[in-house]
Amino acid sequence: AQKITQTQPGMFVQEKEAVTLDCTYDTSDQSYGLFWYKQPSSGEMIFLIYQGSYDEQNATEGRYSLNFQKARKSANLVISASQLGDSAMYFCAMRAPFGNEKLTFGTGTRLTIIP
Amino acid sequence: GAVVSQHPSWVICKSGTSVKIECRSLDFQATTMFWYRQFPKQSLMLMATSNEGSKATYEQGVEKDKFLINHASLTLSTLTVTSAHPEDSSFYICSARDIGNSPLHFGNGTRLTVT
Repeated sequence: AQKITQTQPGMFVQEKEAVTLDCTYDTSDQSYGLFWYKQPSSGEMIFLIYQGSYDEQNATEGRYSLNFQKARKSANLVISASQLGDSAMYFCAMRAPFGNEKLTFGTGTRLTIIP
Repeated sequence: GAVVSQHPSWVICKSGTSVKIECRSLDFQATTMFWYRQFPKQSLMLMATSNEGSKATYEQGVEKDKFLINHASLTLSTLTVTSAHPEDSSFYICSARDIGNSPLHFGNGTRLTVT
């Protein structure tokens, strides 16, 4: 069984500072995918970044980067130069081996950017 | 990019009535779609996997007679909440995946309120 743990229910960060959102996972699969999604108050789920278990380099997408430490089973999201629009819920999720497309989500972290 | 459209965005219905929610992949074909449920301030929980042309696969604890899923075409899956009750009030969100190893794309969700 897969499990995603996000230990930070809420975070407050000053605008323009960098922020790290923690995510640890547990799985017995060798091949898996890790995702981060952003959910604003309007409810939609916005894909941010993806890391495959066999990817050697950490994923980056603009201001988002994923600090992937496979041995520690962690996949932290780093947002650089935070903006007011970054205020939202952030979910870490895992997908099982290719062919099984279900996502297992963590409990989420509510990020609030302070002007 | 891939777009998933979900309709309606919100619905209020009386207890005992049925409500249908549509999920459409607008620019890609989705043989598999997923239905999630999210209670306030909680994470997304997978309800069922919708398979085009065959029966849906329900997660443990989800009543298949209560939550009817139909995936009649490669671009449309519907979730019908039958004989809705106040405890069915929740945020329902669908997702689908395009070809290859792309991430799941989510609809904007449907907020169901049963009075």
